[in-house]
Order: sequence, then structure tokens, then C-alpha cells
Amino acid sequence: DTAVSQTPKYLVTQMGNDKSIKCEQNLGHDTMYWYKQDSKKFLKIMFSYNNKELIINETVPNRFSPKSPDKAHLNLHINSLELGDSAVYFCASSLGLAGADEQFFGPGTRLTVL
Amino acid sequence: TQLLEQSPQFLSIQEGENLTVYCNSSSVFSSLQWYRQEPGEGPVLLVTVVTGGEVKKLKRLTFQFGDARKDSSLHITAAQPGDTGLYLCAGFRSNDYKLSFGAGTTVTVRA
Repeated sequence: DTAVSQTPKYLVTQMGNDKSIKCEQNLGHDTMYWYKQDSKKFLKIMFSYNNKELIINETVPNRFSPKSPDKAHLNLHINSLELGDSAVYFCASSLGLAGADEQFFGPGTRLTVL
Repeated sequence: TQLLEQSPQFLSIQEGENLTVYCNSSSVFSSLQWYRQEPGEGPVLLVTVVTGGEVKKLKRLTFQFGDARKDSSLHITAAQPGDTGLYLCAGFRSNDYKLSFGAGTTVTVRA
């Protein structure tokens, strides 16, 4: 059973398009996250939700909008995609708050903007 | 500027050798975690340290949290090719709920 799953695995799209990445966890965790990993492997947190409420919102362009329909899902919608958005996006979840509890990461979504 | 500085950025050693990866900051952290990431996969937690001066051992891996809770190190004894991967440290500050990752250390162990 996959603990944290993301779809799609790969996403290739044109500049200016709007796209979404879906994330689901079946671990019963209360907290979910979105991270961006750039070409230099630097992993930066974008958002965190706890029980469907936004608790971390780093400096991210407002073209990125997370949506949490329930505790098990945290989707990422990106409007007006730009070349610089190309990266691997990871979803993660933890039982409680990050730093105290282990984060379980999904397999990543490689986004390529042409 | 990054909150956590990892060094070295790259490390290539022969099987059987020892290695140490460092994670340093000017900030104090409530906890610090080490993750390992393999190509095409997400990071996987190795350890969490929360007490200044704490030392944790996981088989051939030894993790240390600095007394002031500003830095940490990961030491691998008798490295094996299976230890190859990207090692990431992550620090958490409970006062401002700031979670930050280091830039990572790519470790390659040659057979």
C-alpha cells in the first residue's frame, strides 16, 4: 500500500497553462505539506496544512494555491505556469507537526514547463 | 540565504571508508532531522534529535546534535555502496514554526 501518493508522476506543459497536482495519504495523518525541489536538489517548503487549515505559507507566488478538501488530500494548483516553476514537487504528511514527527514523502511530481 | 548550511556538498569515497557530513546554523532549533533521498524518490527519515548534546546511533550511522542545538553531524562508519544517496538535514523552530532543509550532501560510495 502506498502511504503518500501523488499524481501525475511527470507533467510537461507549456508556459502560461494552468495545472494541478494531486496528493493523497492513507496514514491517517493530520498534517500535509508541499515542497519544491530545484535542479540543485534544494528542498524548500511551500505550504503546510494541519486538519485542513493552512499553518505554513512560505513566500510563494500567489499563482500557487493549495486546496485541502479533507485531511487525507492536499492538492496543488498552479496558474499561469512559468519556466522557473520547473522542478520536482513533493507532497508529504506527518502525524503531528513537522520537526517533532516523521514526515512521509510521496514519490514526487517532475514538472517541466516549456 | 539558507538557514542551514550543509558541508560538504559532494562526497565520493571508497567502500569501507568513514565519512562525516555537517549541518550548521546560527539559529537554535527545537529539533533536527536527517533524511536520505535516493534518485527518483522522496526523502526518508533516518533520525530525529531534540536534546542538545544528544548522540543517536543507527547501525553504522551516528548522529550528533550540538550542545547549543545549532548544528548537527552525521558520521558513517565503514561506508557501503548502499549508503549512496542525498543526505538532507532539516531543522524546526517551534517559536516561529519555521521548518528549513539544508541544501543536501550527495554521497557516493564506490565498490
